[in-house]
Amino acid sequence: DAGITQSPRHKVTETGTPVTLRCHQTENHRYMYWYRQDPGHGLRLIHYSYGVKDTDKGEVSDGYSVSRSKTEDFLLTLESATSSQTSVYFCAISTGQIITNYGYTFGSGTRLTVV
Amino acid sequence: RKEVEQDPGPFNVPEGATVAFNCTYSNSASQSFFWYRQDCRKEPKLLMSVYSSGNEDGRFTAQLNRASQYISLLIRDSKLSDSATYLCVVNESYEKLTFGTGTRLTIIP
Repeated sequence: DAGITQSPRHKVTETGTPVTLRCHQTENHRYMYWYRQDPGHGLRLIHYSYGVKDTDKGEVSDGYSVSRSKTEDFLLTLESATSSQTSVYFCAISTGQIITNYGYTFGSGTRLTVV
Repeated sequence: RKEVEQDPGPFNVPEGATVAFNCTYSNSASQSFFWYRQDCRKEPKLLMSVYSSGNEDGRFTAQLNRASQYISLLIRDSKLSDSATYLCVVNESYEKLTFGTGTRLTIIP
């Protein structure tokens, strides 16, 4: 088991409030990813990290920021939540030595509703 | 054009039947290919990797056709527990994977 946990599992927040989602891994994997999943769009990459303090944008990064101050934690922040950010958010880690040879392991997801 | 395209389905298939899904990808430089399975309201889980020569895992067979840039998944003797959404996944770069939107499969008793 890759040991990846997301918190919170569910959250309802109001438009305009900041929200932080946490992804925690227990095995010191270098690469971590944040995706959102919406009907009709599938999984879309928001941001990813390739090490402590090393992050890069994905295809839907607007309105999101990330931080990785420790290997085990990758935080996703919505600075000012909007209704369009209502979604299911998945964190993933790459567990292989060669990044894309082994696929990703996903956390259980966070269901975020912005009202 | 989407980088990874799948028929969204749904595929409604009787128990015991054989079902096949195809997926096309646009990046000819892609080297890594996978099928993931996602149950309703759960996270995606790796079903199998797809190798150039094709590979089997029990009732599941995956094939890769580089010339036509598609991968396929065949499920034989389908079970009720095979009902799920199947995601086609291709590497976009050294660091990132791109996911298709998924094909929904329902096995009917």
